[in-house]
Amino acid sequence: GQQVMQIPQYQHVQEGEDFTTYCNSSTTLSNIQWYKQRPGGHPVFLIQLVKSGEVKKQKRLTFQFGEAKKNSSLHITATQTTDVGTYFCAGPDTNAGKSTFGDGTTLTVKP
Amino acid sequence: KAGVTQTPRYLIKTRGQQVTLSCSPISGHRSVSWYQQTPGQGLQFLFEYFSETQRNKGNFPGRFSGRQFSNSRSEMNVSTLELGDSALYLCASSYGTNSYEQYFGPGTRLTVT
Repeated sequence: GQQVMQIPQYQHVQEGEDFTTYCNSSTTLSNIQWYKQRPGGHPVFLIQLVKSGEVKKQKRLTFQFGEAKKNSSLHITATQTTDVGTYFCAGPDTNAGKSTFGDGTTLTVKP
Repeated sequence: KAGVTQTPRYLIKTRGQQVTLSCSPISGHRSVSWYQQTPGQGLQFLFEYFSETQRNKGNFPGRFSGRQFSNSRSEMNVSTLELGDSALYLCASSYGTNSYEQYFGPGTRLTVT
């Protein structure tokens, strides 16, 4: 079945360092979404990418969709303690589902 | 606009019992999806409802069921609870069945003892 994989599973950084998480799908995706879940919270929609090679920025966050539409990345510049949480990517499920979510990358930031 | 609401927020049930969870989507959103989140399995898709019809279904046993009402509110039911059903159940609403931009509610934390 369709798989969406994220690496790394965990990332510990010092405040001010950069952070990147990668998302890879076993199938071509028509679109991809990114979500953030704070500890004890629920996933919050961040952004959707649709076009091949698309790059979108939200302040210190940069999202990229690969040319082949099978991979994506989220890069955070100069992390802050408010960036702590788990970042999930998700894509349309090709097997009668809504979305397939990656397992997430959990970011911790040391002040 | 009010966000997605879920009730109850916390539940403790005993094995063999059944439970009903409720979700009210964002106004104007007609698609409601349910997910189970556990530390070991991540976010697993249960089912999606749109216009009172189940449009998609994940790989869960028949003990898990749901429905949607004409006002787009949705309920999910789990019968004959098992210990492994302990999880955070998340409801997500989106504008339509082909919209993948999903907005999640706070979830219902179910503990089965």
